[in-house]
Amino acid sequence: QVQLVQSGAEVKKPGASVKVSCKALGHTITGPYIHWVRQAPGQGLEWMGRLNPNTGDTNYEQRFQGRLTMTRDTAMHTAYMEVNRLTSDDTATYYCARGVFMDVWGQGTTVTVTS
Amino acid sequence: AIQMTQSPSSLSASVGDSVTITCRASQVMTHDLGWYQQIPGKAPKLLIRATSTLESGVPPRFSGSGSGTDFTLTISSLQPEDFATYYCLQAYTYPYTFGQGTRLEIK
Repeated sequence: QVQLVQSGAEVKKPGASVKVSCKALGHTITGPYIHWVRQAPGQGLEWMGRLNPNTGDTNYEQRFQGRLTMTRDTAMHTAYMEVNRLTSDDTATYYCARGVFMDVWGQGTTVTVTS
Repeated sequence: AIQMTQSPSSLSASVGDSVTITCRASQVMTHDLGWYQQIPGKAPKLLIRATSTLESGVPPRFSGSGSGTDFTLTISSLQPEDFATYYCLQAYTYPYTFGQGTRLEIK
């Protein structure tokens, strides 16, 4: 049974960048797409984009264009999501999830943006 | 982008009741719709994929239906562990979009 394990909580200053990792345990990172979803405190789920871990191709939600990068390291069985130019509005829990319908989720990574 | 309008935003019900949550898409789509349950502090859990296919291990009191623009999640005979927040997701086209969520509370 594949599991996705994410990196730990981050605290960043406005204008900084954050890179969150998502490691596949019990399986390679290749195969189904990896999606990234975020959830601001007390808010709903927001789809950010997806990565084809086989080819590296990506689709990003337009509002993140230019600020969001999704990559993978197949040898390390790990996907990454990096957001640049952080603002307080980026304070959220970030999740990776696998498959068309996101049937496997990471545990979430809390990112706090504060001066 | 397809907008998913989910209703109601909150719902109070008792153990044993049946409830229905609706998602309406802003355009006609295929059956590429999923339903998720989220307990506070936890990652969402996929309950139903492709409108009506129950995930392994999900109790049969959960069911999904719909077509075109209108989709529903029905939970029959509510159990205490069902009180959570539910989201729909359209996986028909990019960008994927979630409904706003329905918070199901104990009456």
